[in-house]
Amino acid sequence: KQEVTQIPAALSVPEGENLVLNCSFTDSAIYNLQWFRQDPGKGLTSLLLIQSSQREQTSGRLNASLDKSSGRSTLYIAASQPGDSATYLCAVRSGANSKLTFGKGITLSVRP
Amino acid sequence: GAVVSQHPSRVICKSGTSVKIECRSLDFQATTMFWYRQFPKKSLMLMATSNEGSKATYEQGVEKDKFLINHASLTLSTLTVTSAHPEDSSFYICSASYRGRNYEQYFGPGTRLTVT
Repeated sequence: KQEVTQIPAALSVPEGENLVLNCSFTDSAIYNLQWFRQDPGKGLTSLLLIQSSQREQTSGRLNASLDKSSGRSTLYIAASQPGDSATYLCAVRSGANSKLTFGKGITLSVRP
Repeated sequence: GAVVSQHPSRVICKSGTSVKIECRSLDFQATTMFWYRQFPKKSLMLMATSNEGSKATYEQGVEKDKFLINHASLTLSTLTVTSAHPEDSSFYICSASYRGRNYEQYFGPGTRLTVT
């Protein structure tokens, strides 16, 4: 059974800092991995999707990497801003249209 | 593109009544729609997966007679919470995927259900 872990559960950093959010999964046989952002009381916004054959994806100040063999992914946020404060969720999919298995998320607070 | 809407965004109902939540893919035809439930400070829990025109597949422990899912078209799925109780109060989120985008899931904004 796939399990996704995100540690720590919460993180507070000063504005401008570069930071890395970690995600680990137990079964390396994944189809793809997604990083999401969730603001309080809101739905999920997809940030980046990495196919199992890819090593990284970039979008603006965000860069996500995938090391399938070790069961790890990282989300790198450059030059963090207060507007980046949210919960970041990592999720993996084992097959093309199978369900997503989510981690519990990391709640990020960026202090002005 | 790939926008998913949910209606209503918030609903309050009395114990024993039923409430229906709609999930629509606005600009694409969804291969599959998923229904999740989220408790405070917890991860999303998949409740069921549905494909258009076929019965939903429920996750273990989810009562299919209590959480009725109808997937009438490629753009609309509904979740009906029947005979609601206070413990059904939660945040319900749907998502939709389609083949053209590697089955990437696009999530709706969620529905906050409060049962009094």
